[in-house]
Amino acid sequence: AQRVTQPEKLLSVFKGAPVELKCNYSYSGSPELFWYVQYSRQRLQLLLRHISRESIKGFTADLNKGETSFHLKKPFAQEEDSAMYYCALHLSNFGNEKLTFGTGTRLTIIP
Amino acid sequence: KAGVTQTPRYLIKTRGQQVTLSCSPISGHRSVSWYQQTPGQGLQFLFEYFSETQRNKGNFPGRFSGRQFSNSRSEMNVSTLELGDSALYLCASSLREKAFFGQGTRLTVV
Repeated sequence: AQRVTQPEKLLSVFKGAPVELKCNYSYSGSPELFWYVQYSRQRLQLLLRHISRESIKGFTADLNKGETSFHLKKPFAQEEDSAMYYCALHLSNFGNEKLTFGTGTRLTIIP
Repeated sequence: KAGVTQTPRYLIKTRGQQVTLSCSPISGHRSVSWYQQTPGQGLQFLFEYFSETQRNKGNFPGRFSGRQFSNSRSEMNVSTLELGDSALYLCASSLREKAFFGQGTRLTVV
């Protein structure tokens, strides 16, 4: 069965320091991975997806199939990055769509 | 385009009661999924509906059920409420692999 693991429930980083939020997955097929973010009092929203290889708000994430990881990184943390981050694995099987989320990491940026 | 709308935003119920939550997806989206969000468990998948059919179901007891109407609006029902059902219930509508979330219904069971 597919699983997404985010080992850190809480992560505190000083402003200007690098950020790395860890995500590991278990899935035997070709994964589609996403990072979702939930800012305080806002709805959960898509941050980025591995397939587009984009950088959003300075964040990037590289899919490492050998290590089954999809860590989220940013070189210099900003205060507005404080939020809850969820890694998610999307599966599509004969039209069945399912997003499996990790338990999330609460990132706090210390001024 | 209007986003995903969930009603009500807040609910307080007592143990043993039942509750119905509603979700209106983004126009044109036929897939609607429900999630339970709690501080300890994170986001847990409840079920997914597509064209009025449940396509996927998570590991929740039968007290949790849902349905989808012909206009893609979805409802989720929880019967015989327990204290542990207190959570934020999120609905997401999807177009292919991208999910768009509502603001959620905060259910408190007392």
